[in-house]
Amino acid sequence: DIQVTQSPSSLSASVGDRVTITCRASQVISNHLAWFQQKPGKVPKLLIYAASTLQSGVPSRFSGSGSGTDFTLTISSLQPEDVANYYCQKYNNVPWTFGQGTKVEIK
Amino acid sequence: EVQLLESGGGLLQPGGSLGLSCAASGFTFSSYGMSWVRQAPGKGLEWLSTISGSGDYTFYAESVKGRFAISRDNSKNTLYLQMNSLRAEDTAVYYCARPTGYCDSINCFAYGMDVWGQGTTVTVSS
Repeated sequence: DIQVTQSPSSLSASVGDRVTITCRASQVISNHLAWFQQKPGKVPKLLIYAASTLQSGVPSRFSGSGSGTDFTLTISSLQPEDVANYYCQKYNNVPWTFGQGTKVEIK
Repeated sequence: EVQLLESGGGLLQPGGSLGLSCAASGFTFSSYGMSWVRQAPGKGLEWLSTISGSGDYTFYAESVKGRFAISRDNSKNTLYLQMNSLRAEDTAVYYCARPTGYCDSINCFAYGMDVWGQGTTVTVSS
């Protein structure tokens, strides 16, 4: 099975900072990767699909990039409401593995 | 409004069985594959299973293969997950979700899961 390694596991940044989270697949997965945001006690929310397409209604400060094995989620200007756990998930074939998650906090 | 609503969670003993349901509304249910995802307390997300839109093809994570069964009734717009031989490590919130993709007899391909239910809690404990 293809492994998905997400890093870092947690980060703390100031409001307005640029934040980057990465996911690396152990094999090529083309652009079959999505990013989710999950706030405490809430349902996961799709942010980015097909590696770089912003889901409707998601603020433009979120962006995704990458193809093949290396992918990045960027928050261009961190806001207090962005405090959450973030997950990537790969979809090129089953199993549709999630990354381990990244906890984002405000410094 | 596109919506998924899970039901059927509860408390049960190890070795027991439980069936979950996910009622869909606001979209053409049979046109979409559907998935189950779970989240153990304080842990990350785990993909469990996906079924094609027709129900002909099913796929499972190794952790639940042989114990869990996904199915659907397109006439009722409802997705199911039958869970057998439950273990303490199956304790989790179970979500149904709608992937945007395609399944054939060999594999499932998608680009994301854009609609999620609110989740139903399953607790396995003696």
